[in-house]
Amino acid sequence: SQQGEEDPQALSIQEGENATMNCSYKTSINNLQWYRQNSGRGLVHLILIRSNEREKHSGRLRVTLDTSKKSSSLLITASRAADTASYFCATDARDNYGQNFVFGPGTRLSVLP
Amino acid sequence: EPEVTQTPSHQVTQMGQEVILRCVPISNHLYFYWYRQILGQKVEFLVSFYNNEISEKSEIFDDQFSVERPDGSNFTLKIRSTKLEDSAMYFCASRLVHERIDNEQFFGPGTRLTVL
Repeated sequence: SQQGEEDPQALSIQEGENATMNCSYKTSINNLQWYRQNSGRGLVHLILIRSNEREKHSGRLRVTLDTSKKSSSLLITASRAADTASYFCATDARDNYGQNFVFGPGTRLSVLP
Repeated sequence: EPEVTQTPSHQVTQMGQEVILRCVPISNHLYFYWYRQILGQKVEFLVSFYNNEISEKSEIFDDQFSVERPDGSNFTLKIRSTKLEDSAMYFCASRLVHERIDNEQFFGPGTRLTVL
C-alpha cells in the first residue's frame, strides 16, 4: 500500500492567499514530516508532527494530524512568490525497523505575484 | 549548523559504467539513508544503514547497488553497471536518534546522476 499521498497534485494561488495541502497515509505511523523542494534542488525539512500531536505551528506554517483519518494538512498562510515549490509529506511506518520514510508524490505549489 | 553534504552535485556517466556517489552525514548521527528521485516523480527509499550494516532495503536496491561506510565520515552508494533508468537525483540522509518518535532525517542537497 502507498503511504503519503498528497492532494492536490498542483495548486496555483495569488500572493497573500493561504495554501492548504493534504496528505493521506495508510499504515500506523510514529510521525509525519513535511518537506519542501525547489525545482531540481534538495529537500528542506519544514516541520515534524508526532503521532500524539494534533497541531503544530512554525512561522507561517500550520500542520495538523488526524490519526483516526490517517491524514495531515499543511497550511501556508500569507503566501509569497518565494513559497513556490513542491511540498512532500513523508511518513515512517510504526513497525518499520529501518525507519525509512515513504514520500508522497508531492503538491506543486505556484504562488503568483 | 551541521549539514549533510554530497559530492558530486552532478555526475554524467555512460551506460554500463560504475559510479560512486558520496555523502558525509552529520557527524554524530547513527542512521544513514539513500533515496532517489526520478525527474518529476516522488522520492523513493533505497536503503538504510546502521551499525555498519544494511538495516533495510527496497526492491529498487538490487545487486547492482551497494553501500559502504569506508571510514568514520563518508557514506557511499555504488552502482556497479549503470542503466539509463538509473538517471535520477540521489539523496543521502542521516538521523541522530534511535527512538522512533522523533526521527527527523536531514537530507543532503542531492547528486544528479545522468546516464547516457
